[in-house]
Amino acid sequence: AQKITQTQPGMFVQEKEAVTLDCTYDTSDPSYGLFWYKQPSSGEMIFLIYQGSYDQQNATEGRYSLNFQKARKSANLVISASQLGDSAMYFCAITTSGTYKYIFGTGTRLKVLA
Amino acid sequence: DAGVIQSPRHEVTEMGQEVTLRCKPISGHNSLFWYRQTMMRGLELLIYFNNNVPIDDSGMPEDRFSAKMPNASFSTLKIQPSEPRDSAVYFCASTPTGRITDTQYFGPGTRLTVL
Repeated sequence: AQKITQTQPGMFVQEKEAVTLDCTYDTSDPSYGLFWYKQPSSGEMIFLIYQGSYDQQNATEGRYSLNFQKARKSANLVISASQLGDSAMYFCAITTSGTYKYIFGTGTRLKVLA
Repeated sequence: DAGVIQSPRHEVTEMGQEVTLRCKPISGHNSLFWYRQTMMRGLELLIYFNNNVPIDDSGMPEDRFSAKMPNASFSTLKIQPSEPRDSAVYFCASTPTGRITDTQYFGPGTRLTVL
């Protein structure tokens, strides 16, 4: 069965600095997708970025990039130039071709300081 | 384009009452997921449908919970009888095809409080 581990319950970062949120995963399926979602205090789940297991390059979406290290089974989210609006919970998730279920991690709460 | 629509947004009920949560997926999407989010257990997948057929309901906590998808544009999650421990935010999400590359699009959630 697949599993996502997010070891950082909470993180602080100074405005305009970069921050890395950790995510490790476990699956025996060679074909999988990794996702990051943001959940602000208002509660909605917002998709940020996707990385496929066969993608050769790390995914990027604006200020978000994914540091994908397949051998280490890690998919860390990097947010550059943090903004106050980035304060939120961030969830890492995995889905595999075997089940098509999305398994979410426990999340990391990020607080951006002015 | 309308996103995933959930109703009601908030529900307060008393223990023992029946609760029905509703979801309208994005038009054209063929996979639908129900999640429950609590502080203690995080985001849990309850059940997932593909082409209106339940594929995996292993996350449904017990027989008090049931879910249906009578057509491609509507799904319900019913709790009968409700208990205080069912208090949570319930999310519905949909994906276009059910492939692993699909992004899940979440509804705004229903905050359920069982007194």
